[in-house]
Amino acid sequence: DAGITQSPRHKVTETGTPVTLRCHQTENHRYMYWYRQDPGHGLRLIHYSYGVKDTDKGEVSDGYSVSRSKTEDFLLTLESATSSQTSVYFCAIAQKETQYFGPGTRLLVL
Amino acid sequence: QQQVKQSPQSLIVQKGGISIINCAYENTAFDYFPWYQQFPGKGPALLIAIRPDVSEKKEGRFTISFNKSAKQFSLHIMDSQPGDSATYFCAASLSGTYKYIFGTGTRLKVLA
Repeated sequence: DAGITQSPRHKVTETGTPVTLRCHQTENHRYMYWYRQDPGHGLRLIHYSYGVKDTDKGEVSDGYSVSRSKTEDFLLTLESATSSQTSVYFCAIAQKETQYFGPGTRLLVL
Repeated sequence: QQQVKQSPQSLIVQKGGISIINCAYENTAFDYFPWYQQFPGKGPALLIAIRPDVSEKKEGRFTISFNKSAKQFSLHIMDSQPGDSATYFCAASLSGTYKYIFGTGTRLKVLA
């Protein structure tokens, strides 16, 4: 699992509330990613980071923000959750050209 | 031009049969093509990967076939087993970008 943990693993929240998901890695990898997985869409990149305080948008970044103040932690924030953000969220790291994924966070927005 | 098209969406194979999943891409600059396997409730895990300088790569029962001129690559699972039942994703990447474009996934079910 490349030393990746995600928290929480499950969360139920209400529309309009802020939500923060955490990804933690133990191996000092430079690149970290947040994806969402939805039926029929596969894995879509939300944001990624290439170093502390260095982040960039992916293909589905609207409604999401990220922060990386330490190498080991990459946070994904939904400023005001909507039902369309109900999904499974995966964090990943890159080791050379290979990406390794965390166990995922299942988020339900009611 | 950044899409990776994956087919079929779902696949049912008898135990011992061959499972074949296909992917096609548009961007000829892509130069790294991994396949991921995902079991329910788990994150995707790298299965096998190929670069366009070879036409085939085999690891155990899993083989990637790559056709550069057709911009297609496929995963073959020989002697498919019930334990292979999972969702499979292809992806494409451009060296140095560290970013993947994923296919939409294929749900494989191998019948015992």
